[in-house]
Amino acid sequence: DTGVSQDPRHKITKRGQNVTFRCDPISEHNRLYWYRQTLGQGPEFLTYFQNEAQLEKSRLLSDRFSAERPKGSFSTLEIQRTEQGDSAMYLCASSSLDGSYGYTFGSGTRLTVV
Amino acid sequence: DAKTTQPTSMDCAEGRAANLPCNHSTISGNEYVYWYRQIHSQGPQYIIHGLKNNETNEMASLIITEDRKSSTLILPHATLRDTAVYYCIVRVDHTDKLIFGTGTRLQVFP
Repeated sequence: DTGVSQDPRHKITKRGQNVTFRCDPISEHNRLYWYRQTLGQGPEFLTYFQNEAQLEKSRLLSDRFSAERPKGSFSTLEIQRTEQGDSAMYLCASSSLDGSYGYTFGSGTRLTVV
Repeated sequence: DAKTTQPTSMDCAEGRAANLPCNHSTISGNEYVYWYRQIHSQGPQYIIHGLKNNETNEMASLIITEDRKSSTLILPHATLRDTAVYYCIVRVDHTDKLIFGTGTRLQVFP
């Protein structure tokens, strides 16, 4: 296992289009997290899953955003009707259930909405 | 989660120790101190964490004051590859989500 993988690395889309990102966590990790990061800021928590259950969603996650983890393995984050303000780096992380060694982050998907 | 305060930026000469401070004056007795770093264009990387005692691993040392209101991350021999943003985070337990601040931008120069 080579860590947390995110696809694509970069995405440019026109305003109003829908986009979907994928995250493959470390295989034995039960927990999966999505964060968003804008320039000069630290990552902001969006949502997390324990296995296939979505346990918490930030108020940052508007109704245009949806995340799934259907089989408790990979996860997708979809943004509908993208806006320029959605331009950011979207980071995925995973951790074991006890979280004792912290999170392992992927390299992120950089979204640019034009 | 308790709030943390870190300097915006710091410089360090290559080969010297980098000491990154963090204030967490409202930390509760059951909150851990975590440190992550983020190298440009990569996801954050876990460095170290501690509760009360000082900790050391292959990457760094973490010194937590006796009253736990502040801590210092020490990179004993900084290299150019240690140039990154360093985040100090407190969290209730290992399962709590991480809340990042804006961190300290460490620049290691030759």
